[in-house]
Amino acid sequence: AQTVTQSQPEMSVQEAETVTLSCTYDTSESDYYLFWYKQPPSRQMILVIRQEAYKQQNATENRFSVNFQKAAKSFSLKISDSQLGDAAMYFCAYSGTYKYIFGTGTRLKVLA
Amino acid sequence: IAGITQAPTSQILAAGRRMTLRCTQDMRHNAMYWYRQDLGLGLRLIHYSNTAGTTGKGEVPDGYSVSRANTDDFPLTLASAVPSQTSVYFCASSRPGGTPFFGPGTRLTVL
Repeated sequence: AQTVTQSQPEMSVQEAETVTLSCTYDTSESDYYLFWYKQPPSRQMILVIRQEAYKQQNATENRFSVNFQKAAKSFSLKISDSQLGDAAMYFCAYSGTYKYIFGTGTRLKVLA
Repeated sequence: IAGITQAPTSQILAAGRRMTLRCTQDMRHNAMYWYRQDLGLGLRLIHYSNTAGTTGKGEVPDGYSVSRANTDDFPLTLASAVPSQTSVYFCASSRPGGTPFFGPGTRLTVL
């Protein structure tokens, strides 16, 4: 069975600084997708970034980028130039055949 | 409707009562999912449906049932609610291999 592990329950970052959130996963599948979702206090789940496993190039969306290490089964999220609006819960997710498996989340605090 | 909707937004329910959480999407996605979110446990899959007419069990299916009579609707039923089912429930939908889109969630409290 696939698993997703986020080992950092909480992280803090100073405004304008860079922070990296960790995620590891376990799977025997060769074709899959990985996601990072943001959940602000509004409760809405917002897609931050998506990575296809067959792509070697790391996905990037503005200030958000990932470090995808397929052999190590690692998928970390880097947030550059952190902003107060980045404060939220962040969930890493794995998708193989239809099922989407989520990690337990990392709460990110942004300090002014 | 734009995207995926859930009803009700929140509900307080007496233990032992039956409750159906509604989920509707207008994106013609084949796959739909129900998750529950609990502090420290992330989102856990309850049930899923790959296409209309089929359903499957997720990680925590006990006490819940689903149906998928058509593409758009995927209701989740608690036949006899218990306090441990107090949670925030999210419905989501996706195309095969696509990005899941989430509804706004339903906060359910079982007393």
